[in-house]
Amino acid sequence: EAQVTQNPRYLITVTGKKLTVTCSQNMNHEYMSWYRQDPGLGLRQIYYSMNVEVTDKGDVPEGYKVSRKEKRNFPLILESPSPNQTSLYFCASSRLPYNEQFFGPGTRLTVL
Amino acid sequence: QQQVKQSPQSLIVQKGGISIINCAYENTAFDYFPWYQQFPGKGPALLIAIRPDVSEKKEGRFTISFNKSAKQFSLHIMDSQPGDSATYFCAASTSGGYSTLTFGKGTMLLVSP
Repeated sequence: EAQVTQNPRYLITVTGKKLTVTCSQNMNHEYMSWYRQDPGLGLRQIYYSMNVEVTDKGDVPEGYKVSRKEKRNFPLILESPSPNQTSLYFCASSRLPYNEQFFGPGTRLTVL
Repeated sequence: QQQVKQSPQSLIVQKGGISIINCAYENTAFDYFPWYQQFPGKGPALLIAIRPDVSEKKEGRFTISFNKSAKQFSLHIMDSQPGDSATYFCAASTSGGYSTLTFGKGTMLLVSP
């Protein structure tokens, strides 16, 4: 089954404790992206990757890091999480950015 | 600067009615306009998309209307059903280079039985 998987689905952590949210896709897509979804603000792009070792900032990259060492994986790293990073995070992939994007199930992160 | 403005923020429609969600964009280079549907607890999923070479695209009960001169596009849901209750996002992108999708803020649709 073609899918994007994210782990964990739910995470409660404390300020400053480094965490990684994993994202993996099995569709051999070149393009992958991370979004955060907040009430009233819609989907805002954090980082995206056009291919392996090619990443770029989206609209709200502060406080986040990403890496793309393999085509299928695109982890999101929060080196020192803060409460304003409490949000619902989605990973997405597509063959090209203007093709249909397939979204993962989401990761709900709470930073205390 | 918000590049894609979506309205209304929320919408209540009776079963069988027509739901209309509007979006306006600023970047005239945009040439790909998808709509995504998101159910509670799920990730968004592509519903329907249009490119500016046509003014309308219909898939079942869902229609996108596109007005290039006004830089506006809208989603019409005919014969709205309770199962259509979801959050809808419009988006826009250019189809080349390092383009990315820019999403509107979303519309929460509730179709009452």
